[in-house]
Amino acid sequence: EDQVTQSPEALRLQEGESSSLNCSYTVSGLRGLFWYRQDPGKGPEFLFTLYSAGEEKEKERLKATLTKKESFLHITAPKPEDSATYLCAVQALGSGGSNYKLTFGKGTLLTVNP
Amino acid sequence: EAQVTQNPRYLITVTGKKLTVTCSQNMNHEYMSWYRQDPGLGLRQIYYSMNVEVTDKGDVPEGYKVSRKEKRNFPLILESPSPNQTSLYFCASSPTPYSEQFFGPGTRLTVL
Repeated sequence: EDQVTQSPEALRLQEGESSSLNCSYTVSGLRGLFWYRQDPGKGPEFLFTLYSAGEEKEKERLKATLTKKESFLHITAPKPEDSATYLCAVQALGSGGSNYKLTFGKGTLLTVNP
Repeated sequence: EAQVTQNPRYLITVTGKKLTVTCSQNMNHEYMSWYRQDPGLGLRQIYYSMNVEVTDKGDVPEGYKVSRKEKRNFPLILESPSPNQTSLYFCASSPTPYSEQFFGPGTRLTVL
C-alpha cells in the first residue's frame, strides 16, 4: 500500500526565515510526486511534479527536490502570502487501474508571520 | 476561463436522503476524480475516471457511486448518506492520469 508522510504537521516561520518541508513516501515504484498548495476553504493548487531522483524544480521562493525515499519543499525568504497548507501526493507505477490512483499526505500547515 | 465547477457548494441533509454533487470541467480533460478531505486524515480519493464510461475505485469508495456519461461531467452520488460522510468534497480533472490535477472549489456536506 502506498504511503505518504509529511512533516512537520505545522510550521511557523518569521518572514524571511527559510526552511524546508518534508514528504516521505513508500511506493512500489514511483511514477510521479506532486506538490500542491491549499489555502483555507479552497481547492488545492498545483505547484510541481517530480519524476525521478535528483530532479529539482523551482518557482519563485519555492524549490522542490526528490530522492528515492523523500521529497523536500524548500522555502527561501518566505513572505506572509506563502502561508498555506502544502500537500504532497504520489502516483505509483502499477498494473491495470491501480496506476491511476493518487495518494496524498496529510499536509504541512505553514504560517509566515510578518 | 478554464475551471472545474461543483454544485452545490454547501449542503445540509439528513440520513438516508439521496443526493448528487455535480462536477463539470471545461478543459476537455480525460481524467476526473473525487476526493474527500477530513481533519487529521487529509485528502482521500473516492473514485476516478479515465474517460467516458471508465471509472474505478479509489481508497474510500464505500457509500458512493459515480458515473461518467459525458467527458465534461462526473457526478458523485450518495444513495443513502450517513453522518460519517460529512466532509469537504473536491472534484478534480487533468489532461491525462499522470499530469497535474485542477481542483474545484469544494462542496461542504453535512449529513445529520
